[in-house]
Amino acid sequence: QKEVEQDPGPLSVPEGAIVSLNCTYSNSAFQYFMWYRQYSRKGPELLMYTYSSGNKEDGRFTAQVDKSSKYISLFIRDSQPSDSATYLCAMSALLYEGAQKLVFGQGTRLTINP
Amino acid sequence: EAGVTQFPSHSVIEKGQTVTLRCDPISGHDNLYWYRRVMGKEIKFLLHFVKESKQDESGMPNNRFLAERTGGTYSTLKVQPAELEDSGVYFCASSQDLGVTYNEQFFGPGTRLTVL
Repeated sequence: QKEVEQDPGPLSVPEGAIVSLNCTYSNSAFQYFMWYRQYSRKGPELLMYTYSSGNKEDGRFTAQVDKSSKYISLFIRDSQPSDSATYLCAMSALLYEGAQKLVFGQGTRLTINP
Repeated sequence: EAGVTQFPSHSVIEKGQTVTLRCDPISGHDNLYWYRRVMGKEIKFLLHFVKESKQDESGMPNNRFLAERTGGTYSTLKVQPAELEDSGVYFCASSQDLGVTYNEQFFGPGTRLTVL
């Protein structure tokens, strides 16, 4: 069983729609929960990270963590064609003080249609 | 400020050959990580350096892989001899040590390795 499960999609929605992306995980020791965005032929880029259960908002993006259910979500409001990318959830496990090993989901390929 | 750079961007080699991938982290970042994504799978951790020291190499698949970080600056990842299953995208990431538990990892664009 994978430590992090993420539906790879693909997911295609019209411009302006609300997008919901989700991951589940099995390891209770994960400390931080992240969402990365990856454009084609580029490296992952951090969108948001959170430590505790609850919601964190940044512009059109909201990250939600439910540690009791081991479930995290990313919501994108008013989606734009420029949001088309692969979205990766990641969890971190402590390697060393100040250093974290990231455990990724498979990534969801998202397309926003104009 | 320059981001994490990786070279080459793409490498195509024959099975049994040797390939060396290079990563230049962001200047001043003591932590350097290597990750790999094989076709259809998730990105997986390979190893972690703090300056020139390997702190954790629990993700290295086997002894055909050798990573170094001489002088605590750039890092190389050598695959010798390469096998078909080594094909994938190899990412390097770096982070500062700000004295806190979480430090953002900045990723390079990756090196796409194809073993024929």
